[in-house]
Amino acid sequence: QVQLVQSGAEVKKPGASVKVSCKASGYTFTSYGISWVRQAPGQGLEWMGWISAYNGNTNYAQKLQGRVTMTTDTSTSTAYMELRSLRSDDTAVYYCARAITSTAPIDYWGQGTLVTVSS
Amino acid sequence: DIQMTQSPSSLSASVGDRVTITCQASQDISNYLNWYQQKPGKAPKLLIYDASNLETGVPSRFSGSGSGTDFTFTISSLQPEDIATYYCQQYDNLPLLFGGGTKVEIK
Repeated sequence: QVQLVQSGAEVKKPGASVKVSCKASGYTFTSYGISWVRQAPGQGLEWMGWISAYNGNTNYAQKLQGRVTMTTDTSTSTAYMELRSLRSDDTAVYYCARAITSTAPIDYWGQGTLVTVSS
Repeated sequence: DIQMTQSPSSLSASVGDRVTITCQASQDISNYLNWYQQKPGKAPKLLIYDASNLETGVPSRFSGSGSGTDFTFTISSLQPEDIATYYCQQYDNLPLLFGGGTKVEIK
């Protein structure tokens, strides 16, 4: 069965960086892409971007351009999301999720990774 | 960016009631709309894709309709396990945007 297993919770100081991993199994990794979606405490869902696991092409949300980098390692079927220059309003649960293209339905989700930014 | 307006933001209904949630897009998105269910502390789950197609394994009491700018999500007979927040999401254009969510509670 399709599974996306994310790395554990992180606590970071403002200005630091965080890198969240997402290990995929149960499907051909390079046939799909990975979207990243975050959810601030008590808030709704915010799409951050998408990366093709086939060729590494990316689409990022404009508000995060320059601070976010999404990568994949096809040898381990793992996707990564790095967010830099962290601010308190980056505190959120970060989800990876499978989508065949950047504009396709997101059909499977990871369990989420809580990133807390606090001094 | 396409804006998604979802209403109501919350509702309370009795077990067995018919529940309806609406989502309006700021421009024509054809049928490129999904509906997700999110239970507390859990990741969202895809229920409906392409506005009206039921994802495999999802109970038939859930349904979706609409096209263009106006969409509706319906639970035909609310069950206790349906307590969750429901989100619409457009995927016609980037950035993908979600509606603000509808929290469904049991009366």
